[in-house]
Amino acid sequence: QSALTQPASVSGSPGQSITISCTGTSSDVGSYNLVSWYQQHPGKAPKLMIHVGTKRASGVSDRFSGSKSGNTASLTISGLQAEDEADYYCCSYAGSNTWVFGGGTKLTVL
Amino acid sequence: QVQLVQSGAEVKKPGASVKASCKASGYTFSSYYMHWVRQAPGQGLEWMGMISPRDGSTMYARKFQGRVTVTRDTSTSTVYMELSSLRSEDTAVYYCGRGGSSGWYDPPDVWGQGTTVTVSS
Repeated sequence: QSALTQPASVSGSPGQSITISCTGTSSDVGSYNLVSWYQQHPGKAPKLMIHVGTKRASGVSDRFSGSKSGNTASLTISGLQAEDEADYYCCSYAGSNTWVFGGGTKLTVL
Repeated sequence: QVQLVQSGAEVKKPGASVKASCKASGYTFSSYYMHWVRQAPGQGLEWMGMISPRDGSTMYARKFQGRVTVTRDTSTSTVYMELSSLRSEDTAVYYCGRGGSSGWYDPPDVWGQGTTVTVSS
């Protein structure tokens, strides 16, 4: 049950698009369409943004989208806004009724 | 609205145990699984385990097996997480998060506010 691999940081200017990758293995990301993405602002609880790989959670802007190819899932944020600056975590079902998170990515809006 | 309210901050000595609670409201408690996730200071999220509300069956991350126990009280719509043999590395914010109603295959959607546990001699 090793953590999924995410880049430590990404950055972009307002209006641009960025993509955060989340690399797992054939035992987790690669085996299930059960990847979710969370946004976490400092001192706050995580907020579900994407689940089952591509579906936006209720109330989430359509600027957020998810995808997957092989053992790697991705979160794309288009039309970057200042309020998107936060930490982002991926999470995947890992079999045997267990889950695993990624290490997190800090998004900076320049 | 769906709400998870967690117990207050705790300070424990190494070797002790801590028991955090998570009281649910705004939905049918017995229909939704519950996750526990922790976050050490400046670190990422770490999945600890989850519980089925119907029969109380549990599943834990390998790292915590033998040290963590998750239970539920359907009469008060409350889930508990007890972590034993505490060490300094267990200093973290502990979150409960509501899973799905169909089984073990839904991630947390609604989260509690977190319980800060500090382990210090």
